[in-house]
Amino acid sequence: GEDVEQSLFLSVREGDSSVINCTYTDSSSTYLYWYKQEPGAGLQLLTYIFSNMDMKQDQRLTVLLNKKDKHLSLRIADTQTGDSAIYFCAESIDDSNYQLIWGAGTKLIIKP
Amino acid sequence: ETGVTQSPTHLIKTRGQQVTLRCSSQSGHNTVSWYQQALGQGPQFIFQYYREEENGRGNFPPRFSGLQFPNYSSELNVNALELDDSALYLCASSPQGVPGYTFGSGTRLTVV
Repeated sequence: GEDVEQSLFLSVREGDSSVINCTYTDSSSTYLYWYKQEPGAGLQLLTYIFSNMDMKQDQRLTVLLNKKDKHLSLRIADTQTGDSAIYFCAESIDDSNYQLIWGAGTKLIIKP
Repeated sequence: ETGVTQSPTHLIKTRGQQVTLRCSSQSGHNTVSWYQQALGQGPQFIFQYYREEENGRGNFPPRFSGLQFPNYSSELNVNALELDDSALYLCASSPQGVPGYTFGSGTRLTVV
């Protein structure tokens, strides 16, 4: 079945770049997403990438997609304390885009 | 835009009881999805509603049911509650066919 995997934790120094990685199994994915979840809050859509793209940049965020290896990454430039959160990777598995398959989330820890 | 609002924010129920969770979707969003997020895990898709009809369902038993109303608000009903139903229940809305969802902050359900 479909599966999305992420590392559980990532620790970076404030000001450095953070790179959060994700692998997925469904080659028919249409969109891949990155969401952010802060403590006690819902999920905030950060960015998404269509499966025929390799890269998407949005201010401090860069998404890279390697479709051959089914690997997705999110790079956060100049990481700040406000970036502390859990980051979820998700893929849509059909053309309707309604069912998302999620990873377990990567907790980003910022060291001063 | 008022975003997606969910009620109540927290709820404690006894095993075997029934519960109704409510969601008001973001203005202009006619598609509503419900997700269950257990502690330390990614969300699991329960079902989606579009134009008051269920148009997609995840791997959840029939005791999980829902409704969507003409104003696009939605309810999630869970009968015969089990201890494993304890989780954060997230409602998400989007315009039909547009990638990405707007999530509410969720309802934390505890079954004792």
